[in-house]
Amino acid sequence: DGGITQSPKYLFRKEGQNVTLSCEQNLNHDAMYWYRQDPGQGLRLIYYSQIVNDFQKGDIAEGYSVSREKKESFPLTVTSAQKNPTAFYLCASSQGLAREGTGELFFGEGSRLTVL
Amino acid sequence: AQSVTQLDSHVSVSEGTPVLLRCNYSSSYSPSLFWYVQHPNKGLQLLLKYTSAATLVKGINGFEAEFKKSETSFHLTKPSAHMSDAAEYFCVVSGGNTGFQKLVFGTGTRLLVSP
Repeated sequence: DGGITQSPKYLFRKEGQNVTLSCEQNLNHDAMYWYRQDPGQGLRLIYYSQIVNDFQKGDIAEGYSVSREKKESFPLTVTSAQKNPTAFYLCASSQGLAREGTGELFFGEGSRLTVL
Repeated sequence: AQSVTQLDSHVSVSEGTPVLLRCNYSSSYSPSLFWYVQHPNKGLQLLLKYTSAATLVKGINGFEAEFKKSETSFHLTKPSAHMSDAAEYFCVVSGGNTGFQKLVFGTGTRLLVSP
């Protein structure tokens, strides 16, 4: 089945630790995204990538880092610099960057990070 | 700049009754508009999208939405609610004349369906 796989589904972290969330897609999509979701808020864009070895900051990139070494993989690292990391993180992909906003985003099932 | 306002944080209906989830948008350009659905602890799934074609858009699971430019609205409707429709729904706007077409998400409307 084609889709996006995020792991782990649940993750606990102590303050001061970095943690990496995995995102893999087998849809052959060029573009990939990371969103953060907090209760009562819409999704906020952390980073996005149009193509391998290229990525751009979104609206809330501070305290996060990403890499795009392979087309199918876009891992997100939540660093100790992120002041409030407890959240639900969603990875998504699309055929292109949807220049006219016509592209559909395909989402993974998310990773819930809790900082203890 | 684009923005979207979902007018209700929660909507409660009985099974078999109509559903109306309200969304107003603001955009400097001709927008593309989407509705996504999210079940608990899951990712989002596209319900339907408007991209300057027909103003009445039909989506999956019996949902539809009408683009009304004069009212800057894109309300989501369904004639008869089913228990499986209970979820969170997000209205999304995108648009611009160049570059990356960032999607702007509303804050969501939680739909509760009672037997």
